[in-house]
Amino acid sequence: EVQLVESGGGLVQPGGSLRLSCAASGFTVTSHHMHWVRQAPGKGLEWVTYIRSSGSIIYSDSVKGRFIVSRDNAKNALYLQMNSLRDEDTAVYHCAREPSGQLTFDYWGQGTLVTVSS
Amino acid sequence: QSALTQPPSASGSPGQSVTISCTGTSSDVGGYNYVSWYQQYPGKAPRLMIFDVYKRPSGVPDRFSGSKSGNTASLTVSGLQAEDEADYFCSSYAGINNWVFGGGTRLTVL
Repeated sequence: EVQLVESGGGLVQPGGSLRLSCAASGFTVTSHHMHWVRQAPGKGLEWVTYIRSSGSIIYSDSVKGRFIVSRDNAKNALYLQMNSLRDEDTAVYHCAREPSGQLTFDYWGQGTLVTVSS
Repeated sequence: QSALTQPPSASGSPGQSVTISCTGTSSDVGGYNYVSWYQQYPGKAPRLMIFDVYKRPSGVPDRFSGSKSGNTASLTVSGLQAEDEADYFCSSYAGINNWVFGGGTRLTVL
């Protein structure tokens, strides 16, 4: 059974850093494109970044230069290092799997809440 | 505001049909046949219900169907059941490694 479980969220001050993890089971993260998608309170979803099965990485303009996505093949996990956090980064962060090249998200985690506030 | 526009709420009685719209532009919904729909219960992970505008993943009841006309995609739930009460949101590929989403629609089964 495919499962994605996020962790690492919490309260952080503006300008601070946080590292999110996404533990995958039932498949290998290197065989699919893996995404981070966030949902701010009371707002719609926003695509953040992804790492392709090839290892290439794309970021949205809103996080480029501040966030870093990575994966650990041995742990079968996805990570999101978030630096220089801003109030507007407050959201529930979901990891999601894309069957490579299919441009949809077939499995999601339930998310981890990141709150940026002083 | 969300890139794709959905009505905030929709409702129907058991057994009825309800359609939820998702309006974008020619740069996303209208430009690609990569519209997806997701179902989400509060505090749970989203579940893929429709992809590529109208295709259903295995395990999704055929009561759920998708379509598209121009810049507007639609999700229709036929034969409403109590367990269909959830949030539904759409997404579309928007080209050049970019995806956009709707704000979500709360479906209530009366």
